[in-house]
Amino acid sequence: DTGVSQDPRHKITKRGQNVTFRCDPISEHNRLYWYRQTLGQGPEFLTYFQNEAQLEKSRLLSDRFSAERPKGSFSTLEIQRTEQGDSAMYLCARTDRANTGELFFGEGSRLTVL
Amino acid sequence: DAKTTQPNSMESNEEEPVHLPCNHSTISGTDYIHWYRQLPSQGPEYVIHGLTSNVNNRMASLAIAEDRKSSTLILHRATLRDAAVYYCILRDEGETSGSRLTFGEGTQLTVNP
Repeated sequence: DTGVSQDPRHKITKRGQNVTFRCDPISEHNRLYWYRQTLGQGPEFLTYFQNEAQLEKSRLLSDRFSAERPKGSFSTLEIQRTEQGDSAMYLCARTDRANTGELFFGEGSRLTVL
Repeated sequence: DAKTTQPNSMESNEEEPVHLPCNHSTISGTDYIHWYRQLPSQGPEYVIHGLTSNVNNRMASLAIAEDRKSSTLILHRATLRDAAVYYCILRDEGETSGSRLTFGEGTQLTVNP
């Protein structure tokens, strides 16, 4: 158990629909990261939060993507007007409280856009 | 971010040691060398990390070259459960980067029974 829960684990949607993924880390006092992973590739960084502040966003995060972390606890990643190219695994990760350098990943939310 | 180079794939036999190489010739002084692995249908899992000295933990050993331009992850006795994609990552510990990880494509390790 990595202390990161993601929901839903799988989502199938039609092109043009909006989807939202949720990440619940075990503790509020840490950084939270979102990554995207397509088949055969390593995870790609999307964005990260320090408490409720979104401190960095990748250029991969287009205007259709928005992430929030209200109150510095759970986080949501919303994709509006989904496209087939958005099909991927969306991974959430947390640091530990001491920020020792290790990231703990959830099992991911797999999105399929038809 | 400094880049790493790893072989696309490697094979090993069960119960034998495995040496997974990684080249990082453009490493900077503040980059830590991290290794993660990813089992099928799971998120990446931390394995080990180091800066200059060799490191050991319950999962593996990390051998870092004296010039820090390469490193080797050592699994002392491979098991079938070690079959995974292994990522070698340089992590800038500077605050401005958020200490995020930049993954490459990794090495797919196959363990034969």
